Amino acid sequence: EIVLTQSPGTLSLSPGERATLSCRASQSVSSSYLAWYQQKPGQAPRLLIYGASSRATGIPDRFSGSGSGTDFTLTISRLEPEDFAVYYCQQYGSSPQITFGGGTKVEIK
Amino acid sequence: QVQLVQSGAEVKKPGASVKVSCKASGYTFTGYYMHWVRQAPGQGLEWMGRINPNSGGTNYAQKFQGRVTMTRDTSISTAYMELSRLRSDDTAVYYCARGTTELGYWYFDLWGRGTLVTVSS
Repeated sequence: EIVLTQSPGTLSLSPGERATLSCRASQSVSSSYLAWYQQKPGQAPRLLIYGASSRATGIPDRFSGSGSGTDFTLTISRLEPEDFAVYYCQQYGSSPQITFGGGTKVEIK
Repeated sequence: QVQLVQSGAEVKKPGASVKVSCKASGYTFTGYYMHWVRQAPGQGLEWMGRINPNSGGTNYAQKFQGRVTMTRDTSISTAYMELSRLRSDDTAVYYCARGTTELGYWYFDLWGRGTLVTVSS
């Protein structure tokens, strides 16, 4: 099973700042099968990024994804008040084996 | 409107079973895998398995093998997840999520609102 490790666990930032979230895989992941989700309290996750770098429909361009192999990054260029949430990376592997990272909480400083 | 509507909250005793439903609307139910993901209180997301609504074929995460059963009723565009021999650590919100494969990519693009299952004596 591929383990996804997200860091940091919590990111304390102010609105307008840049957020950089990391997702590291225990073995190589196909970029096509790496996604990022945002989850707010009491809500279901929402797809942000698929294919490691493609924004989902309706996602603002301040969100961007990058990376390949075992290292992936989600960047929020300038934090808006509605961006404070928990972010999860996810990978789809053969069999299938689908795993999520443990999440990064982006909180208001 | 494209959506997944899940059944309501459940309270079960240890050892019992629970069956959660997920009704799809606004798209072709048999055209997409349906996945189940759970989230324990204050914890992260955990994939449980998936069903192919077209064939009924299933794949389960190893952790849940022997305890989970996923089924579907195509006549009413509804998927079901039944978890048996419930324990207190099965207390969680259970989500259904549509798995989309497009242009070589794969992701969950549509989620239900979740069903809280509480296991308590």
